[in-house]
Amino acid sequence: DADVTQTPRNRITKTGKRIMLECSQTKGHDRMYWYRQDPGLGLRLIYYSFDVKDINKGEISDGYSVSRQAQAKFSLSLESAIPNQTALYFCATSDPGTSGEFGDEQYFGPGTRLTVT
Amino acid sequence: EDQVTQSPEALRLQEGESSSLNCSYTVSGLRGLFWYRQDPGKGPEFLFTLYSAGEEKEKERLKATLTKKESFLHITAPKPEDSATYLCAVHPRWAGSYQLTFGKGTKLSVIP
Repeated sequence: DADVTQTPRNRITKTGKRIMLECSQTKGHDRMYWYRQDPGLGLRLIYYSFDVKDINKGEISDGYSVSRQAQAKFSLSLESAIPNQTALYFCATSDPGTSGEFGDEQYFGPGTRLTVT
Repeated sequence: EDQVTQSPEALRLQEGESSSLNCSYTVSGLRGLFWYRQDPGKGPEFLFTLYSAGEEKEKERLKATLTKKESFLHITAPKPEDSATYLCAVHPRWAGSYQLTFGKGTKLSVIP
């Protein structure tokens, strides 16, 4: 089984709808992240969480919200979807215990392809 | 502002034709530099972490190196299964930084 799973894998929704993307991990990592990937723009961080009580905004958090339900679960919500939120969304995890002072190695899920019409 | 620039954007190689991908970075102190491989429609797959200039790491046909301004991913005698987009990311050292800055990637195609 995959260490980081995302549901749904594909979703088409209409403008104005609320949608939730879910991420679960079995790696036992404390840190979890949500990214979006757009052609020509690369990966950009939306939100990150270092534990259940710690949630932080990333580079492009406007229009998004998150919930960390447990160490293993991190959800991303689009409260009112708009077409420019059409993108590939990735969840990632990392464990600072393996790197300490150094940068965390992040492990990515398979992604959710979201289309907003 | 932290920046990561990858070149070339796309690279076509014949099977067995060795080459290098470049990742140039501008960051106020480097906590770590990461290389990932991404296949179409899939999540990035972690390859290497480099922490300091002069460091090298190898995995099969791939070898990553790091200087103070750039990193190279050398591919020796590539095979068609090495075709993918290769992403570079940096983790800056500045206080409060917990974010990776990613480059846009190099799309590698290896032709049989």
